[in-house]
Amino acid sequence: EPEVTQTPSHQVTQMGQEVILRCVPISNHLYFYWYRQILGQKVEFLVSFYNNEISEKSEIFDDQFSVERPDGSNFTLKIRSTKLEDSAMYFCASSRRGMNTEAFFGQGTRLTVV
Amino acid sequence: QKEVEQDPGPLSVPEGAIVSLNCTYSNSAFQYFMWYRQYSRKGPELLMYTYSSGNKEDGRFTAQVDKSSKYISLFIRDSQPSDSATYLCAMSLNTGNQFYFGTGTSLTVIP
Repeated sequence: EPEVTQTPSHQVTQMGQEVILRCVPISNHLYFYWYRQILGQKVEFLVSFYNNEISEKSEIFDDQFSVERPDGSNFTLKIRSTKLEDSAMYFCASSRRGMNTEAFFGQGTRLTVV
Repeated sequence: QKEVEQDPGPLSVPEGAIVSLNCTYSNSAFQYFMWYRQYSRKGPELLMYTYSSGNKEDGRFTAQVDKSSKYISLFIRDSQPSDSATYLCAMSLNTGNQFYFGTGTSLTVIP
C-alpha cells in the first residue's frame, strides 16, 4: 500500500539552528500539506502546496518557515531559525486531488528544540 | 483556538461495547467532517468523512453530523482491542485545504 514517508523520525536541534524536515509523498499525488502537533495540543494546519507554489498557509507559517519541492519526489519544510516553541510533531500529508478528505498522512517527525 | 472541541478522555471500554465519540464546533460554515484514527507514533489515518448533515456507515463505524446543534459523533459497534487508538475529529469549510482538528480522544478497548 502506498504511503507518505517522513524523515527523520526524530530531530533534535539547538535553538537558532535551521532544520529541514523531509517528506516523500505518494507518487501520483499532486497536493501536499504540512501540519504540526505540539504535545498535548491539537493538530494544526501550516501550509498546502500545489503546482510548485503555496496555495494556502496559516498564521503559524511565518517568514521562518518555507516549503519546497526540490525534485519530483521530495517535499520539504524548512525552519530557518528554530525556537523552543517550534518543538512539535510535524506531519506531512498528500492527496491526489485537492480534496482534503482524501489526504494521507505520514508518520510524523518529532522536532525537539533545545 | 476553540473552533473544535473534543473530550480528550481517556475512554476505556470492554471488548464488544458500543463506543460513542463526540465533537462540538462553533463555526456553522463547516461542511466537511472527518474522523481520523491515530495509533501511537503514527500519523492520522482517515476513517470516514461526511458532507453536511446526516449519517454515514462503514462496517462497524457510523458517523453522524447534526449541523443544527454543531455536533458530530462517531459510533463504533462491537469494539475490538485493535480499535484502541486516539480518535481525532476534523472539519473544513469546503474541499479546500485547511482542516480544523479536535484534540483527540484516547480510547482503550479492554479484552
